[in-house]
Amino acid sequence: DAKTTQPTSMDCAEGRAANLPCNHSTISGNEYVYWYRQIHSQGPQYIIHGLKNNETNEMASLIITEDRKSSTLILPHATLRDTAVYYCIVRVRDYGGSQGNLIFGKGTKLSVKP
Amino acid sequence: DAGITQSPRYKITETGRQVTLMCHQTWSHSYMFWYRQDLGHGLRLIYYSAAADITDKGEVPDGYVVSRSKTENFPLTLESATRSQTSVYFCASSDSFGSFKETQYFGPGTRLLVL
Repeated sequence: DAKTTQPTSMDCAEGRAANLPCNHSTISGNEYVYWYRQIHSQGPQYIIHGLKNNETNEMASLIITEDRKSSTLILPHATLRDTAVYYCIVRVRDYGGSQGNLIFGKGTKLSVKP
Repeated sequence: DAGITQSPRYKITETGRQVTLMCHQTWSHSYMFWYRQDLGHGLRLIYYSAAADITDKGEVPDGYVVSRSKTENFPLTLESATRSQTSVYFCASSDSFGSFKETQYFGPGTRLLVL
């Protein structure tokens, strides 16, 4: 069963910030939040992940609420190349066997428009 | 070039035939994975491998066989292809599994059609 809930689709204007929400109300203390994206006809691409603190890298920022029940992926200046399906994934840390699989749900289809 | 490659990129086969999908990575990553992607299901893990000669089942292993005789290669075999195995198959690799630094890198995918 999916541990995350994301909107099916979102639009964003080119050059503006894209804010993609994710609800993970049943997250436990030993689970991380990961974000991947999949551009059409390509393999998924890692974006960012975090545990409880906000994280930033060259691609995006991840804001996790204090209660960790939701998070937001921020693409600060969206471009047309950011049009993709974005997956929010909750994942157990320090696991063994199949517990640590990346379970991809249906994600959010982000369309960046000129 | 360094990276992860899959072959063939497209394959059409018939029901009952054996098909092998190849995956090769040049990073010397210990961990490798096979996923399938179907409309309405997202990506689902088929098999994964922690090292050469160490493999384990994922969420949907039935009908598939894997091997890992060399660190860089992780072939996936459909022993007797069925129409339900029509899908897009992605291979991935990672230098760790379960640590905070883990990142899986995905190949470009193989589109398989079973008639």
